[in-house]
Amino acid sequence: GAVVSQHPSRVICKSGTSVKIECRSLDFQATTMFWYRQFPKQSLMLMATSNEGSKATYEQGVEKDKFLINHASLTLSTLTVTSAHPEDSSFYICSANRDGNTEAFFGQGTRLTVV
Amino acid sequence: DAKTTQPTSMDCAEGRAANLPCNHSTISGNEYVYWYRQIHSQGPQYIIHGLKNNETNEMASLIITEDRKSSTLILPHATLRDTAVYYCIVRVATSNTGKLIFGQGTTLQVKP
Repeated sequence: GAVVSQHPSRVICKSGTSVKIECRSLDFQATTMFWYRQFPKQSLMLMATSNEGSKATYEQGVEKDKFLINHASLTLSTLTVTSAHPEDSSFYICSANRDGNTEAFFGQGTRLTVV
Repeated sequence: DAKTTQPTSMDCAEGRAANLPCNHSTISGNEYVYWYRQIHSQGPQYIIHGLKNNETNEMASLIITEDRKSSTLILPHATLRDTAVYYCIVRVATSNTGKLIFGQGTTLQVKP
């Protein structure tokens, strides 16, 4: 099956700093990728849709200036958590479309801890 | 996308079949039933999907009732590695397949 890879898998950062998370489609091109956030013991919540070559579309309640998304190529989308706070600590997961497939392909997730 | 209802948790003995139910009484004619699972601290994994016919692949079987208002995911011989949260999602099979609305899912605990 198609592979979606995230990097890093874990990151610890200090409050006030920014953290960048990468999502790559390894064996296919993805014009659209999606970013999710998952807090402990909760389900995944869609944050935004990342569109190659255009602005991301954010879900209601997600601050676009805090969660910067860049989809500069057909195989890479990045999520930057700016001025991170402890409440941003969460599990961030990306997914990607593959043309011709009806199922979603997910990355392995990134565990962010803000201290 | 239609709403789904799943039991919060289930237990299953190792080696036995795990039957996970899902209710989707408001499903539309063009909506498919998808199943994903999430093993602890990993990204979700696609399992199977179907429209109205029963489906089977190497991982599981999907049984959809004739009125399409409910379905059952069957893991024929559950192993300890099948312990995970299982999500039933109903949606139209469009190109934006990565955009999913997750409910709370069913936590399946496979016990030795």
